[in-house]
Amino acid sequence: SQTIHQWPATLVQPVGSPLSLECTVEGTSNPNLYWYRQAAGRGLQLLFYSVGIGQISSEVPQNLSASRPQDRQFILSSKKLLLSDSGFYLCAWSVFRGRGTGELFFGEGSRLTVL
Amino acid sequence: AQSVTQLDSQVPVFEEAPVELRCNYSSSVSVYLFWYVQYPNQGLQLLLKYLSGSTLVKGINGFEAEFNKSQTSFHLRKPSVHISDTAEYFCAVTTIRSNDYKLSFGAGTTVTVRA
Repeated sequence: SQTIHQWPATLVQPVGSPLSLECTVEGTSNPNLYWYRQAAGRGLQLLFYSVGIGQISSEVPQNLSASRPQDRQFILSSKKLLLSDSGFYLCAWSVFRGRGTGELFFGEGSRLTVL
Repeated sequence: AQSVTQLDSQVPVFEEAPVELRCNYSSSVSVYLFWYVQYPNQGLQLLLKYLSGSTLVKGINGFEAEFNKSQTSFHLRKPSVHISDTAEYFCAVTTIRSNDYKLSFGAGTTVTVRA
C-alpha cells in the first residue's frame, strides 16, 4: 500500500532563518506531488505542484521554493523565513493523469511557527 | 478555472442530530468532486468522492453526498452525528481533463458536535 511521510511535524524558527520540509511517498511511482499551506482558520492554499522529477510549478509568488530531486521526494524550502510563513504545511500526492481520479492523499502535516 | 464555495463556515450541532454541509462549485467543464475531513493537527482524509454515475455517493463514517449538476452543488450529509465528528470539512473540485489534478478547495466548514 502507499504511504506518505512528512517531517518535521513541528518546527519553531526565528525570522530570517532557513527552512526545509521534506516529504516522501512510498508504494507508488511517478506520482504528482503537492505542497499546500493552511493558515490559521483559513482554507488550503496550493503552493507548488510537480508532475515529474525536476518539474515544479509555482502557484503563488513568495519566498518559498520547492524541489523534487527524486521521483517520490518533494522538498519545501526557504532561505529566509518571514512571520507570514507561519502555518500548517501539507504535502500530498496523486496518481499520475490517466491512471487516477484526481484524489489527493495527504501527509500528516508540518506546523511551522516563525517568531 | 474551477472554484468551490462552502456556504457555512461554522456548523454547531447536537449529538445524534442530522447535519448538512453545503458546497457549490463553478466550472465550465466536467468535474470530479470530493469531501475531505481534517481533525485537529492532522492531514486531510477523504470522506467520499463523486466521479460519475449515481448522484448519491456514500462515504466513510456514515457520510453521504448528493451531486446536483443543475444546481452545481455537492452537499454533504450525515443523519446522526457523534462527538467524534467534530472536525473541519473541506469540499474540493478538479476538472476531469486536468493533467495535474490540482484540487481547488473551499474555505472549510467547522463542525462542532455538542452532547
